[in-house]
Amino acid sequence: ETGVTQSPTHLIKTRGQQVTLRCSSQSGHNTVSWYQQALGQGPQFIFQYYREEENGRGNFPPRFSGLQFPNYSSELNVNALELDDSALYLCASSWDRGTPEQYFGPGTRLTVT
Amino acid sequence: RKEVEQDPGPFNVPEGATVAFNCTYSNSASQSFFWYRQDCRKEPKLLMSVYSSGNEDGRFTAQLNRASQYISLLIRDSKLSDSATYLCVVSGSYQKVTFGIGTKLQVIP
Repeated sequence: ETGVTQSPTHLIKTRGQQVTLRCSSQSGHNTVSWYQQALGQGPQFIFQYYREEENGRGNFPPRFSGLQFPNYSSELNVNALELDDSALYLCASSWDRGTPEQYFGPGTRLTVT
Repeated sequence: RKEVEQDPGPFNVPEGATVAFNCTYSNSASQSFFWYRQDCRKEPKLLMSVYSSGNEDGRFTAQLNRASQYISLLIRDSKLSDSATYLCVVSGSYQKVTFGIGTKLQVIP
């Protein structure tokens, strides 16, 4: 196991609601990245946090936002949920922002109805 | 053109066979390359990094061809437990990590 944990494991929300997903990084890792994986697709990069600051962002709208805390755990917030937001949300931690090897948590499966 | 392209498969191969996957990437400035393995409804797990000199880990061999902008993964003596989706990953700057769609491998008894 990687030591990266995510909660909750599954979540069902309705369109228009807001959701917060949580991630605890592997011990010693200061960088957390979030990905969205739709069914049958590869993970898509949402953003990365390094030492509590956003360190890069993919092609996702501003309603996808995040936080990283002093202990390097992280949250992903999604506002105004849309049906297309239904996906597996993966958190990955890495030793440092300069090390591209990443270790993934088990993911949160979000269903928007 | 997609940044990272893979044949989604599925590749159905008998146990003991050798199978190879390729992955092409569009950004010539890409710096780091990886293969991840993802089992059904599970998270991706790092399989191996890919270096210009090529690298081998047991039955798995990865190669990088910068001139043609592709990476490859060779699996020898396939086992049933190798059945999974293999994701090609390309990294440019440290915050730009791009995954391919994945190639599904099914090893048949």
